[in-house]
Amino acid sequence: NAGVTQTPKFQVLKTGQSMTLQCAQDMNHNSMYWYRQDPGMGLRLIYYSASEGTTDKGEVPNGYNVSRLNKREFSLRLESAAPSQTSVYFCASSSPTPGANVLTFGAGSRLTVL
Amino acid sequence: QKEVEQNSGPLSVPEGAIASLNCTYSDRGSQSFFWYRQYSGKSPELIMFIYSNGDKEDGRFTAQLNKASQYVSLLIRDSQPSDSATYLCAVKGRLSFGAGTTVTVRA
Repeated sequence: NAGVTQTPKFQVLKTGQSMTLQCAQDMNHNSMYWYRQDPGMGLRLIYYSASEGTTDKGEVPNGYNVSRLNKREFSLRLESAAPSQTSVYFCASSSPTPGANVLTFGAGSRLTVL
Repeated sequence: QKEVEQNSGPLSVPEGAIASLNCTYSDRGSQSFFWYRQYSGKSPELIMFIYSNGDKEDGRFTAQLNKASQYVSLLIRDSQPSDSATYLCAVKGRLSFGAGTTVTVRA
């Protein structure tokens, strides 16, 4: 019953370093998402992938890149980390149910950029 | 204007009372609306979704949707200390989330 698995759970970077956040789901969902959550800001969509082979920008894509490696995996890359990217990152996946796309979230990855 | 706005918290209610959470949205074409609960340090989890005008009940939770007023609310009846969490309103489309309302239920 893994659901959505994110790695790493915690990471500290220095300004300018790069890293990749990994996400995998085992629910055979088509759509996957990356959000960031900052205090008082709710969840903001960074990128999403409606299906394997497609990706689209969300509300706050600057400074990030994504790869939909296959149906299961959706990674988020920070090429040159900045302190403004300090946040909690959530990966989610969804599959349509009648009337709605319900999101299932991973446990989150807490990133600190010094 | 933000796509989704929630009433500012925090909201403190006594045990057994009704907690009322409100959410407004800007896109009149939005079709589906969601309420997620997030405990401190955890990921959001779905409470319920609604896409038809009116009320939808699930246990102690009732979602109310008024598309003409672009308004969706969540009522928590007989509030319990375990309901203490942040509640996030979300709207389909680009799956926009509100900033959340933190609810504390006082024993």
